[in-house]
Amino acid sequence: QVQLQESGPGLVKPSQTLSLTCTVSGDSISSSDYYWSWIRQPAGKGLEWIGRIRTSGSTNYNPSLRSRVTISLDTSKNQFSLKLSSVTAADTAVYYCSRGWLTWFDPWGQGTLVTVSS
Amino acid sequence: QSVLTQPPSVSAAPGQKVTISCSGSSSNIGNNYVSWYRQLPGTAPKFLIYDNNKRPSGIPDRFSGSKSGTSATLGITGLQTGDEADYYCGTWDSSLSAGVFGGGTKLTVL
Repeated sequence: QVQLQESGPGLVKPSQTLSLTCTVSGDSISSSDYYWSWIRQPAGKGLEWIGRIRTSGSTNYNPSLRSRVTISLDTSKNQFSLKLSSVTAADTAVYYCSRGWLTWFDPWGQGTLVTVSS
Repeated sequence: QSVLTQPPSVSAAPGQKVTISCSGSSSNIGNNYVSWYRQLPGTAPKFLIYDNNKRPSGIPDRFSGSKSGTSATLGITGLQTGDEADYYCGTWDSSLSAGVFGGGTKLTVL
């Protein structure tokens, strides 16, 4: 059974960089052919796709976030990470990591709340 | 503003059927498969439908999906109070080269 778990600071100051890690168990990201994605959800709002990475290292990012986002793999730890720079209060959200294919996402991590505040 | 358009809310009585629509364009739904998710309050979304109408293992056949042109529909039969949740559609947008979701639909089982 594949499981994903997000981890990282729950509070980030404005203008700083948000950094989250997703630890994968039950699958090997180095040999899996899936896409590994980050998705976020502000309180009371809908889902927003942030970006994805494949084992090859190829990435796709949401055009609205592309200038601030970096997604990377750490195959030695079976993890993938999200970095979002120059954060503002608008980046406050629950952040989910997920495994998926071209047009679907499954499973999802439980999510982690990141608040941007001074 | 979400790329895919869903009704904000739908409602139906227990035991009845409900459908939730998801409207897009040729760059997303029109040329890519659609997936659906259910999100209970305070929990992560759960995978319901993929490739327009396929159910992952463990999803009951009360849930169905369809697609026509640039719109997709999720159907739920035999409604239960436990089906009360937010439902989201998703796909890939080939013009944006990005994943996209609908704004979500809140289902109320009266």
